[in-house]
Order: sequence, then structure tokens, then C-alpha cells
Amino acid sequence: GESVGLHLPTLSVQEGDNSIINCAYSNSASDYFIWYKQESGKGPQFIIDIRSNMDKRQGQRVTVLLNKTVKHLSLQIAATQPGDSAVYFCAENIQDSNYQLIWGAGTKLIIKP
Amino acid sequence: GAGVSQSPSNKVTEKGKDVELRCDPISGHTALYWYRQSLGQGLEFLIYFQGNSAPDKSGLPSDRFSAERTGGSVSTLTIQRTQQEDSAVYLCAWGGDGSYNEQFFGPGTRLTVL
Repeated sequence: GESVGLHLPTLSVQEGDNSIINCAYSNSASDYFIWYKQESGKGPQFIIDIRSNMDKRQGQRVTVLLNKTVKHLSLQIAATQPGDSAVYFCAENIQDSNYQLIWGAGTKLIIKP
Repeated sequence: GAGVSQSPSNKVTEKGKDVELRCDPISGHTALYWYRQSLGQGLEFLIYFQGNSAPDKSGLPSDRFSAERTGGSVSTLTIQRTQQEDSAVYLCAWGGDGSYNEQFFGPGTRLTVL
């Protein structure tokens, strides 16, 4: 089946630096993408989403970039803080045709003091 | 996750016992999902409810798993004759009933089968 982000890598970032978390997707028909943050012991929490008619979207301290040519999605976190420590998941969907999200395995972000 | 409560938060059971997990989402949203998340892994889709339509059970791993949703709100996931490989966090989510499938999650139930 289709898959997003097969691995669960770990990214260590110095506090205050910017973090970039990457995700590769395989379904070229996907047109909606979401990033979720999951802190230890909690359910995933929505961070930001992007539709395929955009290549960049900004939120508060977060930016999502979408490169449809290479089917790559990234989440940038500015001025990383200790509270950003979590596992980050990307998910994809084909809008209006399939209600299911296809989830990646996640990336664990560790903040070094 | 705001708006979704799950109970119990933790469940320890013996192999072979049945367990029932509960999800109580915000009322008024027609879509409800169950996922399973093993330690250090991503989310595995189990089942989807949408309004009065027949649920999509395509993700249920075996016939020991079943779920129902009563009154369009509360949902229960039942696992019969639990096995050790059923140990995981079971997450409930609501949403995805618009054009975009943003989903909102509960805190999950951590199931441990001894």
C-alpha cells in the first residue's frame, strides 16, 4: 500500500536553533498533508496543514514546505524550545475521495540544552 | 486532545481476557476513528465511523476486534481473548467530516496484556 515516511529517525537540535523534520510521501495523488506533534503519553496534536496547491504555509514558529516534484514534505520549527520535544508525524490524504489519513512512522525531536 | 476523553487511561489484563475501551468525543461530529499505536511506531488505522453509514472495519487486525458507536457519539472498542501482541496505545479521534481530514485525538488508552 501507499506509505509516508517509513522510518522513525531521531533528530537532536540545540535549544534555540531551527529544526527541520522531513517526510517523504509516495502517493502522487495525495493533495492534503498534515503535521502532528505527539508528546509522551498524549495523543497526536494537530500542528499545521497544507494543500497541494500551495508550496509553503506558515504558522506560529512553524513552517511547512511541500515539494510535489520530489514528493517531499518538511516541517521547520524556528527557535526550538524544550517544549518542542516530541514525536512528529506527517500524514497525507486525498481530499474528498478518501477519508483516511496515511501516516508516517514519525520523527523524534530531542532538544539539547 | 481537547474534546475527546478515553477510558480507562491504562489497562492491564491477562492474556485471554476480554477488554473494552471507551471513547467519548465531542458531540456533533459525525466522524470517529480508532487507531492503534505500538511503542515507537506510527498510527495504525483500525476502524472508522461516519454518521449512520456502515463503519469501515478494514483496519481491524482480526475478528477478535470489534467496535460500535452508540447514538452517534460514544464508541467502544472491544478486544476479545487478548493476546500479548495486542499491547499498544489505542487512540480515538474525531473529525475528518469536512473537506479536509484534520483529526483531533484523545489521550489514548494504554493496554498491556500480560
